[in-house]
Amino acid sequence: KAGVTQTPRYLIKTRGQQVTLSCSPISGHRSVSWYQQTPGQGLQFLFEYFSETQRNKGNFPGRFSGRQFSNSRSEMNVSTLELGDSALYLCASSRGQGSSTDTQYFGPGTRLTVL
Amino acid sequence: DQQVKQNSPSLSVQEGRISILNCDYTNSMFDYFLWYKKYPAEGPTFLISISSIKDKNEDGRFTVFLNKSAKHLSLHIVPSQPGDSAVYFCAARLSDNFNKFYFGSGTKLNVKP
Repeated sequence: KAGVTQTPRYLIKTRGQQVTLSCSPISGHRSVSWYQQTPGQGLQFLFEYFSETQRNKGNFPGRFSGRQFSNSRSEMNVSTLELGDSALYLCASSRGQGSSTDTQYFGPGTRLTVL
Repeated sequence: DQQVKQNSPSLSVQEGRISILNCDYTNSMFDYFLWYKKYPAEGPTFLISISSIKDKNEDGRFTVFLNKSAKHLSLHIVPSQPGDSAVYFCAARLSDNFNKFYFGSGTKLNVKP
C-alpha cells in the first residue's frame, strides 16, 4: 500500500509570494492533518481535514489555509509569505476515527525556504 | 505556549544499554500520548502510544511510562541499537480532539556501537 506522498519536496519562494503544497493520503484514509516543523519548535499543528471539512485548527494566522477534495487529497496554501514561514511542512493521514487505534502516518514533508 | 516539552535536545547511549527519553506536559486534559521516531529526510513514524487510563505500555524493546500526577511521560528502549539513532518526538492529544496533537521539540538519540 502506497504511503503518504507530498509534492513538491522542496520549494524556494520570496517574501510576499504565495505557495500551495499538496498531500495525497494513504488509500482509504479520510483525515489529513498538516504540521509545521521548525528547528527547536517541534511539530506545530496547523489544521485537520476530514471528509472535506476542517475539523480542527491550530493557532496560525489566516495566511495559512487548506482544503480537502472528495478523493481526500489535501492542499495547504500560505499567502503573503514571510521569512519565518521557512520550515518543513508535514502532512499526516489516518482513517479519521479518532480512536486510539487510528494511527497517523506522515509523509516525507515539503521543505519550504522563503528568501 | 509549549504544552508538551522535551527538555533534553540530545542523548547519547552505548549500544546494548537502556535509552530513556523524557517528556513533560502541562495540560491535565490530555488523554492520549504517542512517541514518534524521525530519521533525516523522512516523516515521523509512529512508535508506541499510551492512553491516560494506563501507566505503562510495552511493545518489544519499547516501553512507555505515564505518570499523570507528575504530568510526565518517558520512553525506554532496551536494549538500544545503533538503528535506533533518530529524533524522537512525544505528542499528546486533548480528549475528543481527534487528530489535533501537541508535539514536543524532539530529542536526538545517538546510539554508539
